[in-house]
Amino acid sequence: DAGITQSPRHKVTETGTPVTLRCHQTENHRYMYWYRQDPGHGLRLIHYSYGVKDTDKGEVSDGYSVSRSKTEDFLLTLESATSSQTSVYFCAITGGVRDTEAFFGQGTRLTVV
Amino acid sequence: GDSVTQMEGPVTLSEEAFLTINCTYTATGYPSLFWYVQYPGEGLQLLLKATKADDKGSNKGFEATYRKETTSFHLEKGSVQVSDSAVYFCALSGYAGGTSYGKLTFGQGTILTVHP
Repeated sequence: DAGITQSPRHKVTETGTPVTLRCHQTENHRYMYWYRQDPGHGLRLIHYSYGVKDTDKGEVSDGYSVSRSKTEDFLLTLESATSSQTSVYFCAITGGVRDTEAFFGQGTRLTVV
Repeated sequence: GDSVTQMEGPVTLSEEAFLTINCTYTATGYPSLFWYVQYPGEGLQLLLKATKADDKGSNKGFEATYRKETTSFHLEKGSVQVSDSAVYFCALSGYAGGTSYGKLTFGQGTILTVHP
């Protein structure tokens, strides 16, 4: 299995509070991604990174920010959580682009009450 | 922008039945196509892929052929097992003359349940 660890695995938080999810990889892969999974929508890209300190927005980036200060860590922050951000969040990594298999973490289930 | 459409689910089959899950896509350029599978409580894992027109991806008895003329990548298996019960996602990685940075566009997922 690819070395990807997401933390926490489960979290319940209150509306308006900040939340940070962590993705840690041991594969030294350049590319990292945050997706959210919602029923009827599959997975949608939130943000991605193509190197240390190099990040860009995905399809559903509003309300989220990311940071990557080291190759192995990619943080996703909800500055002020809302109920619409209740979801399952997946981190993924790839070693290249386009034809390369993506490896996924086990997911973080976030509930905003 | 790029998009992927999967057949409506869920799909319920008896063991040893034939499986088809339809997938069509819209993309500019020459996308690569993937099927990912998600078992309960786990992340996604690659099932198979095809990177150019007429390529056939195969793995664990599953097959899918990249059909550019019909923009389709349907998943098939001749005889399903109870252990195939999972959620299946069709996805593409776009390419339009520049790098896509490996970003994936997913279909909505199809829940497959196989009964003994």
